[in-house]
Amino acid sequence: DGGITQSPKYLFRKEGQNVTLSCEQNLNHDAMYWYRQDPGQGLRLIYYSQIVNDFQKGDIAEGYSVSREKKESFPLTVTSAQKNPTAFYLCASSGAGTEANYGYTFGSGTRLTVV
Amino acid sequence: QKEVEQDPGPLSVPEGAIVSLNCTYSNSAFQYFMWYRQYSRKGPELLMYTYSSGNKEDGRFTAQVDKSSKYISLFIRDSQPSDSATYLCAMDSSYKLIFGSGTRLLVRP
Repeated sequence: DGGITQSPKYLFRKEGQNVTLSCEQNLNHDAMYWYRQDPGQGLRLIYYSQIVNDFQKGDIAEGYSVSREKKESFPLTVTSAQKNPTAFYLCASSGAGTEANYGYTFGSGTRLTVV
Repeated sequence: QKEVEQDPGPLSVPEGAIVSLNCTYSNSAFQYFMWYRQYSRKGPELLMYTYSSGNKEDGRFTAQVDKSSKYISLFIRDSQPSDSATYLCAMDSSYKLIFGSGTRLLVRP
């Protein structure tokens, strides 16, 4: 079955640590996205990539980094510079360009907690 | 002011009721409008999308867009307890989607 796989489902980070969230898709989608979801604030865009080896900052990119070395994979690193990383992180993919207007497919999310 | 505004709820209705969920927006350039359903601790799933103004029906769900008022709605007929979830509206902006904050819906048996 085609879809998006996010791992791990739950992740705990100590102060000062970098952690990497995995996102893999087998939908042959060109575009991939990372969103952060906090209670009462909806989804906020962290980074997005329209094509391999290219990505752009979203609205809240500070303290995060990404790479897009393969079409299927778009990992997100939460660095120690991110002061409030506790949140639910969602990865999504879509066709590129105007195809994105027909909707995204989301993964099941990673819940990150700072301990 | 947020580009997309959505009442957070929660909205509690009895089983069988007609539910109306709404979003307003400020950017008149939006052309594509979507509704997503999100169950607790899961990723959102696309319910419906609509291009420009008008209505679109899919089973018990009807999406309505009024671009002149910058207002979109999702109607759920004969609501079921399994419809209990958070509903997010979304709109396109330069090949990226802008999401509302979501309305939590509870359908009581």
